[in-house]
Amino acid sequence: QKEVEQNSGPLSVPEGAIASLNCTYSDRGSQSFFWYRQYSGKSPELIMSIYSNGDKEDGRFTAQLNKASQYVSLLIRDSQPSDSATYLCAVNIPSFDTGFQKLVFGTGTRLLVSP
Amino acid sequence: KAGVTQTPRYLIKTRGQQVTLSCSPISGHRSVSWYQQTPGQGLQFLFEYFSETQRNKGNFPGRFSGRQFSNSRSEMNVSTLELGDSALYLCASSLTTGTRVADTQYFGPGTRLTVL
Repeated sequence: QKEVEQNSGPLSVPEGAIASLNCTYSDRGSQSFFWYRQYSGKSPELIMSIYSNGDKEDGRFTAQLNKASQYVSLLIRDSQPSDSATYLCAVNIPSFDTGFQKLVFGTGTRLLVSP
Repeated sequence: KAGVTQTPRYLIKTRGQQVTLSCSPISGHRSVSWYQQTPGQGLQFLFEYFSETQRNKGNFPGRFSGRQFSNSRSEMNVSTLELGDSALYLCASSLTTGTRVADTQYFGPGTRLTVL
């Protein structure tokens, strides 16, 4: 089982719709969860971080965390063509040999928003 | 505040050569992590440095190495380049307080390495 899993997509939604991106993780000890957006040819940029169960809203973005189900999601309301990008889920995973945590990324979900 | 900077932005090398990439973190950030990104494997963790010490290492061969200087700037080196090393190499810095929790990471623009 991969440490962080995402559906690679593409996820196609019309402009104005809600896009729902999902991510599951394997380590119950994970405490920090992040969503990054990456445009083609560019580096990842942070959208949101979430640390507690429940919802966290920031503008058109809502992150949802359910630690019992080991599931984190990102909702994008009123999707715009400019939201078309790859969305990366990142989870901090303890490293057994060093004790330090490292950030592990999913392979990303490609989102396409059509006008 | 200036963001994370990486140099060079593009590199073309041939098999067997070695390469050194440089990363300057956001001012005040002491943790620097390196990642390799390829279309097939996604973002793969290489290693993380904090206060000039490597704290964590991914599953890459010994040809991949790094270091961090007292001003938190970091370099990574790849020796004996292989075709499969062609990738986007990303550096990220974070304002970790030195605890064991991975903090929010901010990425540089990356170095695109092509191995011929």
